[in-house]
Amino acid sequence: QQQVKQSPQSLIVQKGGIPIINCAYENTAFDYFPWYQQFPGKGPALLIAIRPDVSEKKEGRFTISFNKSAKQFSLHIMDSQPGDSATYFCAASIEGGSQGNLIFGKGTKLSVKP
Amino acid sequence: DVKVTQSSRYLVKRTGEKVFLECVQDMDHENMFWYRQDPGLGLRLIYFSYDVKMKEKGDIPEGYSVSREKKERFSLILESASTNQTSMYLCASSPNLGRVGSYGYTFGSGTRLTVV
Repeated sequence: QQQVKQSPQSLIVQKGGIPIINCAYENTAFDYFPWYQQFPGKGPALLIAIRPDVSEKKEGRFTISFNKSAKQFSLHIMDSQPGDSATYFCAASIEGGSQGNLIFGKGTKLSVKP
Repeated sequence: DVKVTQSSRYLVKRTGEKVFLECVQDMDHENMFWYRQDPGLGLRLIYFSYDVKMKEKGDIPEGYSVSREKKERFSLILESASTNQTSMYLCASSPNLGRVGSYGYTFGSGTRLTVV
């Protein structure tokens, strides 16, 4: 119930491609879904987040698509660049409860080839 | 620039040693967290704290303890280090839910601990 399942574990795309990372959850009480980006040697940093009252959110080349009925959300990176190579984590939380502890997926290592 | 600072980037300790990992945040956040990160296992929560002198067990607390004597500082303690505690340790902080503004965790850069 508290898990967030993330796939794929790793992903290789060519520059300009559109990598897609998928996450699924079971707990319908989750109401906040952030994505974190982690570069080697750094801690994860908040990239973009969505709440379930919208189906899509864009920030620059990054888009979250959210499907409430399927309990799935995904990250799309448009026109991907080698500088996007990083590990991406999806997460979910219940903002109104338990101090909103984030439940993280296991991460996706993205490599964008020049 | 707001920060979560972890005192060491790299540490090498011997089996059986008592190890202290320190984390300080300058954002006046109420909540602080310790995670360990291992390949293929993602981020696993060890302990967290909602307030000074408060602590709660996460998913993998065995072999660890924590201390939070001041709001800005959260320490992770390995009572008797073992080789299976070799890992990347990440500290994070977040505001209480009722605070106006963006919600999210701010992570430190991590401490890579090797136990030999």
